[in-house]
Amino acid sequence: NAGVTQTPKFQVLKTGQSMTLQCAQDMNHNSMYWYRQDPGMGLRLIYYSASEGTTDKGEVPNGYNVSRLNKREFSLRLESAAPSQTSVYFCASSVENSQVGTPYEQYFGPGTRLTVT
Amino acid sequence: AQSVAQPEDQVNVAEGNPLTVKCTYSVSGNPYLFWYVQYPNRGLQFLLKYITGDNLVKGSYGFEAEFNKSQTSFHLKKPSALVSDSALYFCAVRDNKLIFGTGTRLQVFP
Repeated sequence: NAGVTQTPKFQVLKTGQSMTLQCAQDMNHNSMYWYRQDPGMGLRLIYYSASEGTTDKGEVPNGYNVSRLNKREFSLRLESAAPSQTSVYFCASSVENSQVGTPYEQYFGPGTRLTVT
Repeated sequence: AQSVAQPEDQVNVAEGNPLTVKCTYSVSGNPYLFWYVQYPNRGLQFLLKYITGDNLVKGSYGFEAEFNKSQTSFHLKKPSALVSDSALYFCAVRDNKLIFGTGTRLQVFP
């Protein structure tokens, strides 16, 4: 049981390049999330998916797209990377199937450290 | 809008001493509050949560948190700190999504 896995662990991009961050969970969780972590700002939600086939914007969605490929996988795409997207990206999952009602804890992957030059 | 505040960027404590990491919240309605810990170069790990009921919540690794409605606080505590507790700690509140504080770095000195 690997939990939440993310690839790659590190990536360096030039401005304007594109890339996809991959995330998978093996806990049969319904909800999946993408966050970015920047110094002094905590974690900010980029996008989330409450169930297979649905995605919703979070706090900072500009410059990103997501795909909930199936129940296990949730990818984050940067179409044209910018230096402001230099950050550590975390994927998380939860058993929740709704964003209202009793909340459950989220399980996080190890992160992807992205640098855009 | 729901929010949490962690007023201390860093907390230093000697090993064996009690520790407190502070968190205050602002919510409309019932608060759903969480504590997570992040060790270096790792993802966040869930420690504990308050949903309803007993104001003292016990969690992983000997940590506990006290929910105080009158002071709108949810401070994380441990009776005896370990060097291995040194990490970044995040308080969070659940609105329709999880909203994190800015984090407090706990440094436990031998």
